[in-house]
Amino acid sequence: KNQVEQSPQSLIILEGKNCTLQCNYTVSPFSNLRWYKQDTGRGPVSLTIMTFSENTKSNGRYTATLDADTKQSSLHITASQLSDSASYICVVSAAGGSYIPTFGRGTSLIVHP
Amino acid sequence: DVKVTQSSRYLVKRTGEKVFLECVQDMDHENMFWYRQDPGLGLRLIYFSYDVKMKEKGDIPEGYSVSREKKERFSLILESASTNQTSMYLCASNPGGGFANEQFFGPGTRLTVL
Repeated sequence: KNQVEQSPQSLIILEGKNCTLQCNYTVSPFSNLRWYKQDTGRGPVSLTIMTFSENTKSNGRYTATLDADTKQSSLHITASQLSDSASYICVVSAAGGSYIPTFGRGTSLIVHP
Repeated sequence: DVKVTQSSRYLVKRTGEKVFLECVQDMDHENMFWYRQDPGLGLRLIYFSYDVKMKEKGDIPEGYSVSREKKERFSLILESASTNQTSMYLCASNPGGGFANEQFFGPGTRLTVL
């Protein structure tokens, strides 16, 4: 059964600090992995997508990494801001396009001033 | 900018009522999706549609039906609402390519069934 596990479940950090969120998956055959950010009361918004051949991809202060061999991804947030407070959801799609992707349960990040 | 709108942000209904949740996208997207989101469970797919008048079951279709009469509109129907359908409902769309492409989400409807 395809699974996506995210850790930690929740995280509290001080403004300006860095943090790393983890995503481990068992989805096979792998197509892509996407990180979404969901602000409170809003729908998720895509931050980045990782394909099999990509190891690192940045989007401003967000950097995603992918290790396809160990089936792990991380999302690193640099110099956190209050606006980074949100839920971060890892979604893994299997090859074929018609397969329903597997969603992680998300990591809730709170950034305190 | 892609815009996905949902008819209500908050909705309160009684057990047994028929409930309609409406979703409209303005970018001529082929695919539309309905999810529910519950604490600790994450997003779960209820139904999706690849084309007008076409629908496919997701992971948890029981107790729900959908309608897509026009390309831009995808409706989720709870024929007889029950308390276990209290949840956040999210609609999404994408231009095609199945699930592999980015999905654009609406703001969600928080439904409470009493």
